[in-house]
Amino acid sequence: DGGITQSPKYLFRKEGQNVTLSCEQNLNHDAMYWYRQDPGQGLRLIYYSQIVNDFQKGDIAEGYSVSREKKESFPLTVTSAQKNPTAFYLCASSRQARNEKLFFGSGTQLSVL
Amino acid sequence: SQQGEEDPQALSIQEGENATMNCSYKTSINNLQWYRQNSGRGLVHLILIRSNEREKHSGRLRVTLDTSKKSSSLLITASRAADTASYFCATDGGKTTDSWGKLQFGAGTQVVVTP
Repeated sequence: DGGITQSPKYLFRKEGQNVTLSCEQNLNHDAMYWYRQDPGQGLRLIYYSQIVNDFQKGDIAEGYSVSREKKESFPLTVTSAQKNPTAFYLCASSRQARNEKLFFGSGTQLSVL
Repeated sequence: SQQGEEDPQALSIQEGENATMNCSYKTSINNLQWYRQNSGRGLVHLILIRSNEREKHSGRLRVTLDTSKKSSSLLITASRAADTASYFCATDGGKTTDSWGKLQFGAGTQVVVTP
């Protein structure tokens, strides 16, 4: 089945720890995105990538880092500099980064221990 | 910042009734999209309407767009319990290349459909 796979579904972070959220797609899409969703709120863009080996900061990039070494993979690292990391993280992709429809993964819930 | 703002925040209806929710936005757009999110899941794309379109249908969904008022509405007809979800509008930033990849989502309308 074609789609986007996020793992793990639940993740716990200790103080001062970096954690990495995985996102893999087999849709052959060029563009990939990371969004953060807080309870009762909309999605806020963290980072996006229009093509392999290139990525751009979104609205709330501080405390996060990404890489795009392969077309199908766009991992997100939540660093210790992100002081309020508890949220639902959503990865998405689109055929191109021209505001076409997004295909979303099922999300990762990150909580702080 | 959130460009799209949905109204109402929450909506409770019975099966068979219609559900209408609205989205207002602030700047020019190329297109506006509606998504659905079931609790604890990712978003699912419902419909995309371009700035030169006024109305679009998909099954039981009807979307309108009024660019002069910078608003859109989503109508779900003959609702079912399975329509229970949060619904989000998403807008781009218009014709500037800076807006590519930067869809802005509103806070959503939570719809509950009771049998």
